[in-house]
Amino acid sequence: DTEVTQTPKHLVMGMTNKKSLKCEQHMGHRAMYWYKQKAKKPPELMFVYSYEKLSINESVPSRFSPECPNSSLLNLHLHALQPEDSALYLCASSLSRTGSGNTIYFGEGSWLTVV
Amino acid sequence: GENVEQHPSTLSVQEGDSAVIKCTYSDSASNYFPWYKQELGKRPQLIIDIRSNVGEKKDQRIAVTLNKTAKHFSLHITETQPEDSAVYFCAASGTDSWGKLQFGAGTQVVVTP
Repeated sequence: DTEVTQTPKHLVMGMTNKKSLKCEQHMGHRAMYWYKQKAKKPPELMFVYSYEKLSINESVPSRFSPECPNSSLLNLHLHALQPEDSALYLCASSLSRTGSGNTIYFGEGSWLTVV
Repeated sequence: GENVEQHPSTLSVQEGDSAVIKCTYSDSASNYFPWYKQELGKRPQLIIDIRSNVGEKKDQRIAVTLNKTAKHFSLHITETQPEDSAVYFCAASGTDSWGKLQFGAGTQVVVTP
């Protein structure tokens, strides 16, 4: 099973709303990632969690707040977003950090529209 | 940091012909090179990957070659089919990159019947 599950698949939120994106994997992977992808562009790394600890924050604005409650779950809390934050948000996981050459598996993504 | 360049940005091929996409990377410490296929509205899916201790890898109609000296790697698709139409991304990462998978800009492949 190489499944990374993301919910919701689609989300429309106002600029004053607070919402969360959720991600789950049951592959025993210890590295989990959030990527952001705009249309016709490659995925851009936002955050990396390794063994439930935040390893990398790619200078992401504080209106995005990641959380890793346990080794299977990854959340992305959203607050006071801007219309330019509208994008596909991809969760991914790998056995460990990609530096070890481990395959990254992507979830189906959450399509976010900020109005 | 790592920089990955990918060419061409678009590629049109007749069904049955071969397609080749090329990527170059800048960091000689990079040692892992995956290729992802992304169909419209779908997630990126790994189609093949290669590690720096291997020069070539094949999986049915897909092959990847790696030239460490020149720091470039290529994806080869033979006997293309309409279902090969998608955006293809190359990527690179290294032992010291701490989970950073650096993607190329992508290649839109269109296979016409």
